[in-house]
Amino acid sequence: EVQLVESGGGLVQPGGSLRLSCAASGFIFSSYSMNWVRQAPGKGLEWVSYISSSSSTIYYADSVKGRFTISRDNAKNSLYLQMNSLRAEDTAVYYCARDSVFDIWGQGTMVTVSS
Amino acid sequence: QAVLTQPSSLSASPGASASLTCTLRSGINVGTYRIHWYQQKPGSPPQYLLRYKSDSDRQQGSGVPSRFSGSKDVSANAGILLISGLQSEDEADYYCMIWHSSAVVFGGGTKLTVL
Repeated sequence: EVQLVESGGGLVQPGGSLRLSCAASGFIFSSYSMNWVRQAPGKGLEWVSYISSSSSTIYYADSVKGRFTISRDNAKNSLYLQMNSLRAEDTAVYYCARDSVFDIWGQGTMVTVSS
Repeated sequence: QAVLTQPSSLSASPGASASLTCTLRSGINVGTYRIHWYQQKPGSPPQYLLRYKSDSDRQQGSGVPSRFSGSKDVSANAGILLISGLQSEDEADYYCMIWHSSAVVFGGGTKLTVL
């Protein structure tokens, strides 16, 4: 079964850091680009970042550029999002999604930035 | 002006058809873009429905019924998701998406009510 499972969310104070992980299974992870997408409570979808299959190409949304870093470990079938200098407006469910068409999504992990 | 604009809500009757629009900002030509569509039900991650650029460049998501289809209204500069034979289970939020200038843009979403 093709599956993505996020982890690493939680409560963090403003200015703090958090590292999200996304474990992939059921497909050849190294052949696919990957993305992070977030959704604030009661709001719509917001794309966060993209990484190509070989990590050679990386894009970020302007709202997270300079604060978030996307990476992947193809040997571990895992995608990561390092989030620094967190703000209240980063509070959201964070999803990982496969490929440039976002054809497979994980269940998401909640990140709450609050003092 | 947002890059992608979707009506916030739409209502339709069971068995009828619903046409969900995704209007691109003036200056961004719908003809050059692949429009992606996603369905999201409460408490669940989004699910990929389909991608449409033209009749010769389109993709249906795995397991997505053929009553979900894509098209474009070039005169309105909009992508369209057509759902025929509406069922109660189609009640959900629907998001369009495009790749634009090395970034992903989601529309604000349309809440479809089937009543």
